[in-house]
Amino acid sequence: EVQLEESGGSVVRPGGSLRLSCTVSGFTFDDHGMNWVRQAPGKGLEWVSGINWNGGSPVYADSVKGRFTISRDKAKNTLYLQMHSLRAEDTAMYYCARERLLEGDFDHWGQGTLVTVSS
Amino acid sequence: DIQMTQSPPTLSASVGDRVTITCRASQRIDNWLAWYQQKPGKAPKILVYKAFNLESGVPSRFSARGSGTEFTLTISSLQPDDFATYYCQHYNIYPYTFGQGTKLEIK
Repeated sequence: EVQLEESGGSVVRPGGSLRLSCTVSGFTFDDHGMNWVRQAPGKGLEWVSGINWNGGSPVYADSVKGRFTISRDKAKNTLYLQMHSLRAEDTAMYYCARERLLEGDFDHWGQGTLVTVSS
Repeated sequence: DIQMTQSPPTLSASVGDRVTITCRASQRIDNWLAWYQQKPGKAPKILVYKAFNLESGVPSRFSARGSGTEFTLTISSLQPDDFATYYCQHYNIYPYTFGQGTKLEIK
């Protein structure tokens, strides 16, 4: 069974940093591109960042470019999102999502981890 | 960036109704479009990929069509489990933007 489990969310002050993790199981991690998607309270979905199967070509939404870094560790079957210079508008549920092989849509999602940026 | 515009933002309907949600892209995306369903407090769930391919296990009352810039998701006979928020998303080129969502409510 494919499973994705996010962790690392917490309350952090503006300007602070946080690292989110997404540990996967039930599939070959190296085969799939992976993404982070966030959802502010009561709002819609916002794509944040993506990385291809081998860790190359990371891409970012303009809203997080230069502040967030996506990475993956094949040995740990884990996707990361390092977040710096956090702002109130980064407050959201953060989901990791797997890209479907040879397609690109997000066929499996984790349950999310909540990041709250507040003083 | 490609903008995705969904309509309507809210849809009130009854069990048994047929409903259609529309998604328009600001430029051509061929068939690189997905539809997701999200229920309160839950992660989104894929319904349709590559414009009209139903995900395994999705009931046949769901159908989707479109290509280029205009796409639709239709539910032929609403069931109680279908009341949720629906999002379209293109994955033609990064950034993979989502539509703003359509909340399907019980009338």
